[in-house]
Amino acid sequence: GAGVSQSPRYKVTKRGQDVALRCDPISGHVSLYWYRQALGQGPEFLTYFNYEAQQDKSGLPNDRFSAERPEGSISTLTIQRTEQRDSAMYRCASSLTPGHPGNTIYFGEGSWLTVV
Amino acid sequence: GQQVMQIPQYQHVQEGEDFTTYCNSSTTLSNIQWYKQRPGGHPVFLIQLVKSGEVKKQKRLTFQFGEAKKNSSLHITATQTTDVGTYFCAGNSGGSNYKLTFGKGTLLTVNP
Repeated sequence: GAGVSQSPRYKVTKRGQDVALRCDPISGHVSLYWYRQALGQGPEFLTYFNYEAQQDKSGLPNDRFSAERPEGSISTLTIQRTEQRDSAMYRCASSLTPGHPGNTIYFGEGSWLTVV
Repeated sequence: GQQVMQIPQYQHVQEGEDFTTYCNSSTTLSNIQWYKQRPGGHPVFLIQLVKSGEVKKQKRLTFQFGEAKKNSSLHITATQTTDVGTYFCAGNSGGSNYKLTFGKGTLLTVNP
């Protein structure tokens, strides 16, 4: 596609339910990132992939959060046993090459998660 | 851990006035990037600065990277209503060339 595509755009879930957020990066982009953005804040790093390999997951808040990118393209961020504090905008981004200086990062429109 | 502070948090200007936002990092940065996020939109990459003391211009926007590579600024000359949005700085440090730490952003509103 022309840009980074994320789905669903909006998700309301009950506390304790699992949610899966999907990201389809720009075609051919090697690197994929997940960020979380609370209202009035800048994006906060969660995790990073090169191809299918998860290179860094240091930003994942706890073990309820996981991410995968099994074929090096589409990625899924899964939150298990959701809690109200998980409510936020979850943004995916991709770039052509692995984090090279000057490498433009393209953000998707995000998935708004509300846990009630 | 690394922290990136941005000031001011909000700035309201009359159209035609200049605007500046400042970014300070608690650690030396390998590079700094600037993004613009329109209301309801997503962050859009503007520019990356890598060299100490670097200055880059994009039309009415001037970006600077400090000599110590710990601070940066974005200056907009003669603001227009199309400049409305939140401007974020984001830095890489500690040898990472992919993990960006974002500031909280500066929300710019422009009165026509």
